[in-house]
Amino acid sequence: AQSVAQPEDQVNVAEGNPLTVKCTYSVSGNPYLFWYVQYPNRGLQFLLKYITGDNLVKGSYGFEAEFNKSQTSFHLKKPSALVSDSALYFCAVRDRSTDKLIFGTGTRLQVFP
Amino acid sequence: DTAVSQTPKYLVTQMGNDKSIKCEQNLGHDTMYWYKQDSKKFLKIMFSYNNKELIINETVPNRFSPKSPDKAHLNLHINSLELGDSAVYFCASSQRGGSEKLFFGSGTQLSVL
Repeated sequence: AQSVAQPEDQVNVAEGNPLTVKCTYSVSGNPYLFWYVQYPNRGLQFLLKYITGDNLVKGSYGFEAEFNKSQTSFHLKKPSALVSDSALYFCAVRDRSTDKLIFGTGTRLQVFP
Repeated sequence: DTAVSQTPKYLVTQMGNDKSIKCEQNLGHDTMYWYKQDSKKFLKIMFSYNNKELIINETVPNRFSPKSPDKAHLNLHINSLELGDSAVYFCASSQRGGSEKLFFGSGTQLSVL
């Protein structure tokens, strides 16, 4: 079965510092991987996706993610964090046999001024 | 215009009652979903419809019944509400296809007393 794991419940970073939110995946075949962000009392918003092609994917709000097949990882990164980036981040994988989007458990990012 | 809108935003009700949550999308998407987010923020798919046809039906109690009168609407009806049904319910839509991103509504917070 397809799955993603987010090993960190929370990530704390100072404003201006680089941030990384980790995600590893377990799939058969080539994965369709996604990152979504959830701000308080809001629905999830799409940030970026990896389908095929370049391993470094650029997305919304200055975020990017690196697909690493050997490490089965898809970590979310940003060179310089903003306080407004504080939110809940979800990694997800599309199970291509069932077409379900399966989410990780989420990582809360806290950016301190 | 809100792309995916769901009503009501908050729903407080007694155990045993029947309630409905409505969802509409104006994006012209073929596929709509219901997700449940529990108190630990874990997201799980409940149902998926494609052009009014049920595609995914996870192992949810049969007290939950989705209804899709047309491809722009997917409503969720819940009979005999239980305490454990308390959660945030998200509607989402996408174009058909595994690489397509989901657009989420802002959620309905259901509290069963």
